Amino acid sequence: GAGVSQSPSNKVTEKGKDVELRCDPISGHTALYWYRQSLGQGLEFLIYFQGNSAPDKSGLPSDRFSAERTGGSVSTLTIQRTQQEDSAVYLCASSLVLAGGELFFGEGSRLTVL
Amino acid sequence: AQKITQTQPGMFVQEKEAVTLDCTYDTSDQSYGLFWYKQPSSGEMIFLIYQGSYDEQNATEGRYSLNFQKARKSANLVISASQLGDSAMYFCAMRETDSNYQLIWGAGTKLIIKP
Repeated sequence: GAGVSQSPSNKVTEKGKDVELRCDPISGHTALYWYRQSLGQGLEFLIYFQGNSAPDKSGLPSDRFSAERTGGSVSTLTIQRTQQEDSAVYLCASSLVLAGGELFFGEGSRLTVL
Repeated sequence: AQKITQTQPGMFVQEKEAVTLDCTYDTSDQSYGLFWYKQPSSGEMIFLIYQGSYDEQNATEGRYSLNFQKARKSANLVISASQLGDSAMYFCAMRETDSNYQLIWGAGTKLIIKP
């Protein structure tokens, strides 16, 4: 696609439910990143992918968070047993290569856990 | 210690004036990159400008320029002739070579342009 696409744009869920957030990067971009942004805050790094591989998962806040990327393209961020503190905007970005150039961001998925 | 420091949580600037948004960084790497992004109220992150640590000249992109002072570890964003549409959050970020290529982000500066 023309840009990074994220879905859903908004998700309201009940505490304890699982949610899946999807990111479709720009075609041909090998690097994909997930960030979390709480209201009025900067970006918190979660995980990055080079191809389908995620060499560094240390940014994931707990073992309730997981992410995968298949076919070097679409990525899914899964949050199990959601908690109220998981409420945030989850931003996905992609770049052509891992260490080069700018990141192109999606418009984010706003997650609200009641 | 903070790797990226943006000391101005908020700024008000009169339309058409120039504005400087401060960013200082902390790294022991010799090779690194510095980025500025704009985040309007709609939420998307928009890339503005990039400066490599070995670039000898300050980066410029239209009305945006980066005042890069390497010895002071400073990478301030300068917006000339500000416009109402410049009102947004502005984030400074750094990519270090040993950071698994992730960007390290500042807390942001909220810029409001007054008519």
